[in-house]
Amino acid sequence: EADIYQTPRYLVIGTGKKITLECSQTMGHDKMYWYQQDPGMELHLIHYSYGVNSTEKGDLSSESTVSRIRTEHFPLTLESARPSHTSQYLCASSLGTGGYNTEAFFGQGTRLTVV
Amino acid sequence: SQQGEEDPQALSIQEGENATMNCSYKTSINNLQWYRQNSGRGLVHLILIRSNEREKHSGRLRVTLDTSKKSSSLLITASRAADTASYFCATFSGGYNKLIFGAGTRLAVHP
Repeated sequence: EADIYQTPRYLVIGTGKKITLECSQTMGHDKMYWYQQDPGMELHLIHYSYGVNSTEKGDLSSESTVSRIRTEHFPLTLESARPSHTSQYLCASSLGTGGYNTEAFFGQGTRLTVV
Repeated sequence: SQQGEEDPQALSIQEGENATMNCSYKTSINNLQWYRQNSGRGLVHLILIRSNEREKHSGRLRVTLDTSKKSSSLLITASRAADTASYFCATFSGGYNKLIFGAGTRLAVHP
């Protein structure tokens, strides 16, 4: 069982609201990732971090922002939600030491609906 | 896709048959990984193959890697209805900090 948790699992929110999706892991992994995935489609990397105080944008442009103040916590924030942000958001973490990366562990995802 | 091509996009077989999925990637790698995703859920890691390995087995799974062609294949033998899921390959790029996934293969195994 992977020790990575996402909350909430489901969120329905009105346009213009600010939201934060939580992601925490207890495995001490240095690398963490956020992906956006529409049903039945591929995963798009939107943010990643390779350690505390490091955050990078992924390959898919996103209006969201992330922070990595603690190793175990990697929250994603949308300042003003729009219907186009409706999607599933998946958080993952992995260990990468000495230039060698292990497998990634995923949370159960947050399904966001903006109305 | 961001990382390369996976084929087929969808595969439909009968229980007991073998399923083969292929993945190509674009950058140099230190390993390649395969994941499974049941509908609407998070991904689960299946198997990791290092760049200096050519073949790896885990239960009914067999993975091959050809770094000269930048391609990998996943074979599931004696498939079961419970194998119905989407399967993704993934590699690291961007200084080995970005984990990038292929478009995935949707496998349906019919009883």
